[in-house]
Amino acid sequence: GENVEQHPSTLSVQEGDSAVIKCTYSDSASNYFPWYKQELGKRPQLIIDIRSNVGEKKDQRIAVTLNKTAKHFSLHITETQPEDSAVYFCAASHRDDKIIFGKGTRLHILP
Amino acid sequence: GAGVSQSPSNKVTEKGKDVELRCDPISGHTALYWYRQSLGQGLEFLIYFQGNSAPDKSGLPSDRFSAERTGGSVSTLTIQRTQQEDSAVYLCASSLGFTSHFGSGTRLTVV
Repeated sequence: GENVEQHPSTLSVQEGDSAVIKCTYSDSASNYFPWYKQELGKRPQLIIDIRSNVGEKKDQRIAVTLNKTAKHFSLHITETQPEDSAVYFCAASHRDDKIIFGKGTRLHILP
Repeated sequence: GAGVSQSPSNKVTEKGKDVELRCDPISGHTALYWYRQSLGQGLEFLIYFQGNSAPDKSGLPSDRFSAERTGGSVSTLTIQRTQQEDSAVYLCASSLGFTSHFGSGTRLTVV
């Protein structure tokens, strides 16, 4: 079955700098890769996703890239702000199959 | 409803008692997941329902845990003879196709 590895487990960046979180997956049939943000005490919420027919997707300060050959995908946050502090989860799935989450990255934005 | 609804939001129970946690998924969503999240930790997969298929129970930590999904909609997670290590937030998510939507969770405290 699918296995998703996520790195780093913790990341601290200076406010205004960029943050990058990386994930790898094992099942080449996976074709959908969402990213979730979980603020303290809140539910995980989808912030961006990418499908395997696309190599990159951008939404304001966040972007996701996908390398199907290497089976890895990354989340990029530019011009980080205090409200970006949260736990971020990557995931992989294909339609109607179980979604598999990474273990999460705790992002700290330093003032 | 507009989103995934979970009840109760908080539950305090005595060690050894049984508890039932409820999840109302988004109407029409065929997939339903239960996860457990201990403080500061990631999403521990418990069980996955997809349509009329047999549920994937591979994440249930012991035979004290069980779940049902009646009529393809509401799901109940039951924990029998609760232990202190069962204390956690129990999250439910539902999806139709790709994107999973999470409920706000039930915070279970076993005293």
